[in-house]
Amino acid sequence: AQKVTQAQTEISVVEKEDVTLDCVYETRDTTYYLFWYKQPPSGELVFLIRRNSFDEQNEISGRYSWNFQKSTSSFNFTITASQVVDSAVYFCALSDPYSGAGSYQLTFGKGTKLSVIP
Amino acid sequence: EPEVTQTPSHQVTQMGQEVILRCVPISNHLYFYWYRQILGQKVEFLVSFYNNEISEKSEIFDDQFSVERPDGSNFTLKIRSTKLEDSAMYFCASSFRTGDYGYTFGSGTRLTVV
Repeated sequence: AQKVTQAQTEISVVEKEDVTLDCVYETRDTTYYLFWYKQPPSGELVFLIRRNSFDEQNEISGRYSWNFQKSTSSFNFTITASQVVDSAVYFCALSDPYSGAGSYQLTFGKGTKLSVIP
Repeated sequence: EPEVTQTPSHQVTQMGQEVILRCVPISNHLYFYWYRQILGQKVEFLVSFYNNEISEKSEIFDDQFSVERPDGSNFTLKIRSTKLEDSAMYFCASSFRTGDYGYTFGSGTRLTVV
């Protein structure tokens, strides 16, 4: 069965520090998709990135970067020079065909609450 | 940018009452979903809907839940007889296709059952 583990429940950093949020996943399929979502205090889910299992290139978007390593089943997320506005809960999620009848439902991790202190 | 719209943003209801949560997916999307997040917990899949029928549902989605696309634009989640444990944030999502395309989530409806 598919599973997403975010071992860090809460992280606090001082503004401008770098922070890495860990995500480890389990799936029996070779084709799957990984996502990161941000949930600010207002509650909505904000899409950050989508990555398919065949693309192991790391990605950088501004202060955000993602490190995908199939060998360790990890998809870690790094925020460089953190800002107070980065304070939120961050969810890693997995979508694969074995999660159901082809609709690729998302399986979420429990989330990591990031607090950036000014 | 197109968005998924959910109404109401917050609903309070008495235990045992029926509630309908409403969603307007992105107009050219074909797949529709409901997810639930109990306060402080992870987001959980409830149901997916395609071609006017449920394509998949979780064990959470029991007989008290139903979904409908009544008019080609709205997508609703009905809870027939609410229980205290139904209190949660409910997210609607839609996608153009499955798998790699990704989802667009609505901003959620916070349901409080008292």
